[in-house]
Amino acid sequence: QVHLVESGGGLVKPGGSLRLSCAPSGFIFSDYYISWIRQAPAKGLEWVSYISSRGNTIYYADSVRGRFTISRDNAKNSVYLQMNSLRAEDTAVYYCARGDPYDYMDVWGKGTTVTVSS
Amino acid sequence: SYVLTQPLSVSVALGQTARITCGGSDIGSKNVHWYQQRPGQAPVLVIYRDGNRPSGIPERLSGSNSGNTATLTISGAQAGDEADYYCQVWDSTTWVFGGGTQLTVL
Repeated sequence: QVHLVESGGGLVKPGGSLRLSCAPSGFIFSDYYISWIRQAPAKGLEWVSYISSRGNTIYYADSVRGRFTISRDNAKNSVYLQMNSLRAEDTAVYYCARGDPYDYMDVWGKGTTVTVSS
Repeated sequence: SYVLTQPLSVSVALGQTARITCGGSDIGSKNVHWYQQRPGQAPVLVIYRDGNRPSGIPERLSGSNSGNTATLTISGAQAGDEADYYCQVWDSTTWVFGGGTQLTVL
């Protein structure tokens, strides 16, 4: 069965760092773009970042550019989101999803929760 | 940046038809995708490229897109359709989501 699994969430203080991971199951990971999308408590979905299949094309939402870094290791079948200088407003469930630019996201993980609080 | 506007909530009687709109400037020229998110769960793709259903999505769900409005239509609404629904488009170099619509089945 095709799915994605996120890990690495937790409680962190403002200004701190956290690294999320996204691992696939049931498909050839290296063929696909992967995105991170987040959802703050009781709020809607917000796209955060994406990385191309080879890792040579990367984009970020304005809200995280300069603080978050997306990367991937296809040999390890993983995509990462390094989150630095975290703020309270970064508190959210973070999902990774499979999907090409211009198109839809057809496979999502169950999410990992990040809480930024002192 | 591109903005997608959805109503906060839509109510529908059991067995009737619900329509959830997604407004955006000339959205008809873009491919619109729809996601269903039940409470405590991850989003699920229910309509892609305006009106296509992934496998496993019932025919009761359909989509259309023209002008400045895209619409998700749910016919014969069931209790299991209660969820939040999000529209999504690709704009320039980013994905954009609508704010989401909570569907209540009465």
